[in-house]
Amino acid sequence: QKEVEQNSGPLSVPEGAIASLNCTYSDRGSQSFFWYRQYSGKSPELIMFIYSNGDKEDGRFTAQLNKASQYVSLLIRDSQPSDSATYLCAVTGQGAQKLVFGQGTRLTINP
Amino acid sequence: ETGVTQSPTHLIKTRGQQVTLRCSSQSGHNTVSWYQQALGQGPQFIFQYYREEENGRGNFPPRFSGLQFPNYSSELNVNALELDDSALYLCASSWTGGGAYNEQFFGPGTRLTVL
Repeated sequence: QKEVEQNSGPLSVPEGAIASLNCTYSDRGSQSFFWYRQYSGKSPELIMFIYSNGDKEDGRFTAQLNKASQYVSLLIRDSQPSDSATYLCAVTGQGAQKLVFGQGTRLTINP
Repeated sequence: ETGVTQSPTHLIKTRGQQVTLRCSSQSGHNTVSWYQQALGQGPQFIFQYYREEENGRGNFPPRFSGLQFPNYSSELNVNALELDDSALYLCASSWTGGGAYNEQFFGPGTRLTVL
């Protein structure tokens, strides 16, 4: 079983709709959860992080964490063509500094 | 405040050769982590350096080695290159202190091609 799993996609969403990206993780000791956006040929860019159960909102982005279900998600409201990218979920444990990444979900926003 | 920089941008080597990749951490950061990202995959943790010492290592063979310098910049060395080493190599810098996890910020990466 992979430590962090994501649906590789591609996920196609019409412009203006809500894009929903999901991620599950296997280590119950995981403490911190991150979403990175990666455009083709570029490096990952941190867009959201969440440490506590529940929702965290930042502009059009909402991260949701459910530690009991070992599940973290990212919602993108009012999707724009510029949101088309690969979204990487990453987790880390207490005191641990390494990031464990999923394989990424490729998201395409259709105008 | 300067961001994370990496050099070179692209590199082509042949099997069996050795390569050195360089990373300058973001101003105010003291920790550098290296990741390997194969095409279509998420980044895989290679190792991390903090206070010039290796502070954790992923599942990579000893021919992957590194250094951190007093100014917190870092090098990744790969000996006896194999075709499967072709990937994007990412350096990430962060601040380690106070026991809390701090976000890692990635450099632009070095694209290594092994022929």
